[in-house]
Amino acid sequence: ETGVTQSPTHLIKTRGQQVTLRCSSQSGHNTVSWYQQALGQGPQFIFQYYREEENGRGNFPPRFSGLQFPNYSSELNVNALELDDSALYLCASTMTAGGGETQYFGPGTRLLVL
Amino acid sequence: GQNIDQPTEMTATEGAIVQINCTYQTSGFNGLFWYQQHAGEAPTFLSYNVLDGLEEKGRFSSFLSRSKGYSYLLLKELQMKDSASYLCAVDNDKIIFGKGTRLHILP
Repeated sequence: ETGVTQSPTHLIKTRGQQVTLRCSSQSGHNTVSWYQQALGQGPQFIFQYYREEENGRGNFPPRFSGLQFPNYSSELNVNALELDDSALYLCASTMTAGGGETQYFGPGTRLLVL
Repeated sequence: GQNIDQPTEMTATEGAIVQINCTYQTSGFNGLFWYQQHAGEAPTFLSYNVLDGLEEKGRFSSFLSRSKGYSYLLLKELQMKDSASYLCAVDNDKIIFGKGTRLHILP
């Protein structure tokens, strides 16, 4: 158990719709990152939040947006869904301990866009 | 550009040792992660190397050479449950993953 939870576990949407995915991490995990993982590929970095501010972004269009809340929860919002958005979406929270970064992943949300 | 390379697939025998290599070229470097990912599951943290050298954690060890842009994950006394994908990822303020190495363990 990593202490990071995500909801929902699975989701089916149609092209053009909007979706909100949620993540909850442990107290003290100030950094949360979101990733998209297509089948057979490594996770692709979407963006990262630190203390409720976005502080890093990958090569994803603006229709991918996020929020981080003071209670260590966060959201990934995707507007105008496209078929290629079908993937596993992972959030990961980071707690710095002993000089090293330990990043814990949630179980993921599997999104299917039809 | 950012590039992380690792073999696509490897096969090893139960009880043996296997080394999974990773080479990287990134614009910055804070450290390197190794993750294990079973099919249909989220990645599980294995190691994070910041300094050059070998770090051992039970049956798993991870090595880093920053000057060579090279790391490897060493798995000893392989068990069937070690069949999984192994992901190398570079931390340069954002985490960049390789495509993963699918490891097959034969009895």
